[in-house]
Amino acid sequence: KAGVTQTPRYLIKTRGQQVTLSCSPISGHRSVSWYQQTPGQGLQFLFEYFSETQRNKGNFPGRFSGRQFSNSRSEMNVSTLELGDSALYLCASSWGLNYGYTFGSGTRLTVV
Amino acid sequence: KQEVTQIPAALSVPEGENLVLNCSFTDSAIYNLQWFRQDPGKGLTSLLLIQSSQREQTSGRLNASLDKSSGRSTLYIAASQPGDSATYLCAVRNNQGGKLIFGQGTELSVKP
Repeated sequence: KAGVTQTPRYLIKTRGQQVTLSCSPISGHRSVSWYQQTPGQGLQFLFEYFSETQRNKGNFPGRFSGRQFSNSRSEMNVSTLELGDSALYLCASSWGLNYGYTFGSGTRLTVV
Repeated sequence: KQEVTQIPAALSVPEGENLVLNCSFTDSAIYNLQWFRQDPGKGLTSLLLIQSSQREQTSGRLNASLDKSSGRSTLYIAASQPGDSATYLCAVRNNQGGKLIFGQGTELSVKP
């Protein structure tokens, strides 16, 4: 059974650019969440989508946005990149509230 | 606001020891609690999921307990092996929504 797939695995971008990360959840999972992981802040929640609707949003600036498609695949976009956006971005999917989350391998974003 | 704390931050033990990792949370209104392991530079691997109505879950050499009223969970690892070396994270899922709130993790090193 395929797990959560995130692409690309690694990205290097320049300050001011924008980036789009992709996540394909486990087949049948309709809930998709995104997290940012940095050494200083640990794992922080970005947003959660369920059936194409954003249900929750974390405390991040408006430069961070996301969406979910009808096939449950999700993308997140970061515009006007800053050095502090360098992090491991993790996507997770779940059947729903009473079920656990399965995480992908992440996208390592480096902003130079 | 839910806060999750993990103690200790780091732990080094000789191979074969039994060990306990601790996780505490401030708000007992949770849906469930999930333990993960993370190898360096990788995504999260789910170990155990405990629903709010459950007291413990077991998988192989791992046993996780939950005491919701006191806001505590423990992860017991029996007969530790060098392959258990990783960072262990606990995360709670609140009644208010689907997002996970993570502790800072315990970095475990098992020496041969």
